[in-house]
Order: sequence, then structure tokens, then C-alpha cells
Amino acid sequence: SQQGEEDPQALSIQEGENATMNCSYKTSINNLQWYRQNSGRGLVHLILIRSNEREKHSGRLRVTLDTSKKSSSLLITASRAADTASYFCATDGSNYQLIWGAGTKLIIKP
Amino acid sequence: EPEVTQTPSHQVTQMGQEVILRCVPISNHLYFYWYRQILGQKVEFLVSFYNNEISEKSEIFDDQFSVERPDGSNFTLKIRSTKLEDSAMYFCASSGTGYGYTFGSGTRLTVV
Repeated sequence: SQQGEEDPQALSIQEGENATMNCSYKTSINNLQWYRQNSGRGLVHLILIRSNEREKHSGRLRVTLDTSKKSSSLLITASRAADTASYFCATDGSNYQLIWGAGTKLIIKP
Repeated sequence: EPEVTQTPSHQVTQMGQEVILRCVPISNHLYFYWYRQILGQKVEFLVSFYNNEISEKSEIFDDQFSVERPDGSNFTLKIRSTKLEDSAMYFCASSGTGYGYTFGSGTRLTVV
């Protein structure tokens, strides 16, 4: 079954604004992770939130997890041009394999 | 900060040829993975490796694929007879605990 569906598929905002991306999943999880990928480049791990956590912060990033709704959100505050990238959520399956969403393409306009 | 290193960054190969993608995981990590991402599509799990054996593999990881940890530091993915549809970005990842992965920067494989 499909896991980790992000929305929106694309988001374009002005520099300095906040960006919110959402992720929904279908089955129970141990944890949910968010990654960033600059165009055609590698995957950079941003933050991991465990199933018993509701909110986590890292710098300008804030992640929430609602296991009852099987959803998570990633908030980037005070966005910068360098935040332009694709953002993926990934949930763990059996034996620690990650199941990925299709990603949100974030464009920060200067 | 420790890194996962992948080589080459880009490989072009002819259909039917064998390719070996190389990865050097973080030295004290115990879990190793290969994922791939076809251009414009989702990242897909290929295989996980722990304690010198495959612990899980996806349907994509058929008999054309194999993994090895030949010398305790490298972790390789071999594709025996490449097809056009194998063209993708291949990512290696490692983890110390099974959570909190570190990914390499990927190898872009182009099959022509």
C-alpha cells in the first residue's frame, strides 16, 4: 500500500514567509522522517519523529505527528532562498526499510 | 560529520552491461541500504543488509541485483545485465540503530 503522501505537490512562497508541508500515511509506524533533496542531488535527513512524540523542533524546522490521523506536517519558518528543494516524508516499514512519499517541491522566491 | 560516500557520482553504461555501484558507509554503522529514485518519481527501497546478509528486499531487487560487503568497509550494488529502466539515481544509506539514516549523495546511472 502507498505510504507517505505529501501535499501540496508544489509550493511557492516569498522569502521570509513560513512554509507548511503535510504528509499522510496508511499503516502504523515506528517513526516518520523528513528529508530534503536539492534538484538531482542527495537526500539530506532533516528530522525524525517517533510514534510516541507529537512535536519536534530543529532550528527553523517544526514537525508534528498525529498518529490518530496518520499525518505529519513540516513547518519551515522564516524561509530562505536556500530552502528551495523537494521535501519528502518517509515512514519505516518492516526491517527498518523506509517508504517514501512523492515529495513537495518548495520554491522560495527572493 | 561522518558521511556516506558513493562512487561514481555518474555512470553511463550500455544496455546488457554489468555495473557495480560502490558505497562506503559510516564506519560504526551496522545497517546498510540501497534505494533508487527514477527521475521525477518516488524513492524506492531496494534492499537492506545487516550482519553480512540481506535482511529485506523489495520486488525490484530481482536476480539481476546483488549486494556485497567485500572488505568490511565497502558496500556494493551490482546489476548484472542492465536494462534501460534501470536508469535512476541510486542511493546508499547506513544506520547505526536501524533508525536515523545517513544517505550518500547518490550515483546517477544512465543506461543507453
